[in-house]
Amino acid sequence: IAGITQAPTSQILAAGRRMTLRCTQDMRHNAMYWYRQDLGLGLRLIHYSNTAGTTGKGEVPDGYSVSRANTDDFPLTLASAVPSQTSVYFCASSDLRGAKYNEQFFGPGTRLTVL
Amino acid sequence: DQQVKQNSPSLSVQEGRISILNCDYTNSMFDYFLWYKKYPAEGPTFLISISSIKDKNEDGRFTVFLNKSAKHLSLHIVPSQPGDSAVYFCAASARGQNFVFGPGTRLSVLP
Repeated sequence: IAGITQAPTSQILAAGRRMTLRCTQDMRHNAMYWYRQDLGLGLRLIHYSNTAGTTGKGEVPDGYSVSRANTDDFPLTLASAVPSQTSVYFCASSDLRGAKYNEQFFGPGTRLTVL
Repeated sequence: DQQVKQNSPSLSVQEGRISILNCDYTNSMFDYFLWYKKYPAEGPTFLISISSIKDKNEDGRFTVFLNKSAKHLSLHIVPSQPGDSAVYFCAASARGQNFVFGPGTRLSVLP
């Protein structure tokens, strides 16, 4: 089934540890995104990539890094986790070349708790 | 300051009645708007969208209305069904730039 997968589903992490959230899509979409969802704040964009090999900063990029080595994968890394990074993280993708370029497809999310 | 606001954190509606979810925005450069629906433990899914050149877009039971002068849009669901119970996010973008999401409204459709 075509779509986006995220791993892990959930994770409890000690502060100061490094963590990589994985995201893979099989729709050959050129654009991919990382959001965090916090109560009362909705979805906030962390980083994005409009095509393989390029990345950009979103609204809340501090403490996070991304890479886009190929079309399908877009990992998000927390170099040294802090409790304020406790959140639900969603990966999304879209096809900027198509008529529905504005529609983003979301993964199921990763619930991260930093203690 | 939030550029996209959904001032009602929650809404309860009786099955069969109309649900109206509201969204306000502050950035006059926004020219494209979407609504996403989210069930617990799942990612958001696209529901309906509208361009700023229109004031209404309809898709089955779902209609989105846009009032540019008031910087306001609303999502109407009629008739509401229990399966519509979810969190609804409004999102806006300017000239193809990245979307800004509102905080969401939790809709409960009561049988």
